[in-house]
Amino acid sequence: ETGVTQSPTHLIKTRGQQVTLRCSSQSGHNTVSWYQQALGQGPQFIFQYYREEENGRGNFPPRFSGLQFPNYSSELNVNALELDDSALYLCASSSPGAGDIQYFGAGTRLSVL
Amino acid sequence: GENVEQHPSTLSVQEGDSAVIKCTYSDSASNYFPWYKQELGKRPQLIIDIRSNVGEKKDQRIAVTLNKTAKHFSLHITETQPEDSAVYFCAASKAGGSYIPTFGRGTSLIVHP
Repeated sequence: ETGVTQSPTHLIKTRGQQVTLRCSSQSGHNTVSWYQQALGQGPQFIFQYYREEENGRGNFPPRFSGLQFPNYSSELNVNALELDDSALYLCASSSPGAGDIQYFGAGTRLSVL
Repeated sequence: GENVEQHPSTLSVQEGDSAVIKCTYSDSASNYFPWYKQELGKRPQLIIDIRSNVGEKKDQRIAVTLNKTAKHFSLHITETQPEDSAVYFCAASKAGGSYIPTFGRGTSLIVHP
């Protein structure tokens, strides 16, 4: 086990609702990255947090937002959910001092109806 | 930004055969190339990685080769076993600073007993 945990594991929402996904990073890691993985696709980078600051953002609209806490855990918030937001959301933790190798959590499966 | 192409999308082999998955990248500044294995319903797991200062790396039945001039890298699995069946993702990034990998679309490897 990598030590990266995500909650919840599954979630069902309706269009227009808001959702918060959570990620606890592996001990010793100060960087959390979030990805969206649609069925049959590779993970698409959403954003990264390093020491509580956003450290990079992919091509996702502002309704995707995040936080990182002092213990380096992180949240992903998505507002005004759309059907196309249905996907597996993965977080990965890493640390520049550990070669930037990313360790993934098991993901949250979000279904938007 | 970086663009990673991965081929083939599906690869079917007999147990004991070799399997090769190829990726190309566009950003000549990329210098870190990890490979992830994702079994059905599970998290992506790092299986091997290579940095741009080496051309080849091996770990038991798995090897990765990198051609920086041609901007392509490949995963080689020898003596395949049914438990190697999974989706494999390549990625490319600039390690250090805001390490943000770009993933390929994945290769579904099926090893027939």
